[in-house]
Amino acid sequence: EAGVAQSPRYKIIEKRQSVAFWCNPISGHATLYWYQQILGQGPKLLIQFQNNGVVDDSQLPKDRFSAERLKGVDSTLKIQPAKLEDSAVYLCASSVGGSQETQYFGPGTRLLVL
Amino acid sequence: SQQGEEDPQALSIQEGENATMNCSYKTSINNLQWYRQNSGRGLVHLILIRSNEREKHSGRLRVTLDTSKKSSSLLITASRAADTASYFCATANNDYKLSFGAGTTVTVRA
Repeated sequence: EAGVAQSPRYKIIEKRQSVAFWCNPISGHATLYWYQQILGQGPKLLIQFQNNGVVDDSQLPKDRFSAERLKGVDSTLKIQPAKLEDSAVYLCASSVGGSQETQYFGPGTRLLVL
Repeated sequence: SQQGEEDPQALSIQEGENATMNCSYKTSINNLQWYRQNSGRGLVHLILIRSNEREKHSGRLRVTLDTSKKSSSLLITASRAADTASYFCATANNDYKLSFGAGTTVTVRA
């Protein structure tokens, strides 16, 4: 079975620019998650979707971050405008049902903001 | 904020030795999970232990959970070079939202 796909794998931008990340979850997985992992730390949940509805976005900085999951499949995460502290790895994960089940992670997108 | 805290932060062992790392947490949980992350890669789920379980095994992995002490341990037996990675514990509270610790970096020397 194909895993969670993410693109791009790496991105370098200057502060105040915009950037978007794409995630394709495992086929049939209803729940999709975006995490931010700053160097030396564990992943922090940014947003969780169940099908195409938002379940939890309490830690998403909504003044600059946005995410959508159209048709309950692929998802995009956007940062506009980016700040230096947004430099991190952005991980996408999916699970069959809710977050009580095993989450499968993609390889991540490494973002560097200069 | 991160609930789980792993100890030690880093561990270096010889191939064939056992590696033990611990995770402590603050509030009650529904389950606790361990993940592995190889350099530059995503996380891989290793094992899930529920709050009513005390010990689970999976291959060379053994996880224990002591809810009275709010702590868990992960034991990797007969370590191999391929076990070199960062290991994270993640706690799921009653709404099942996962909260990750900062991880333990394990280096297995040949």
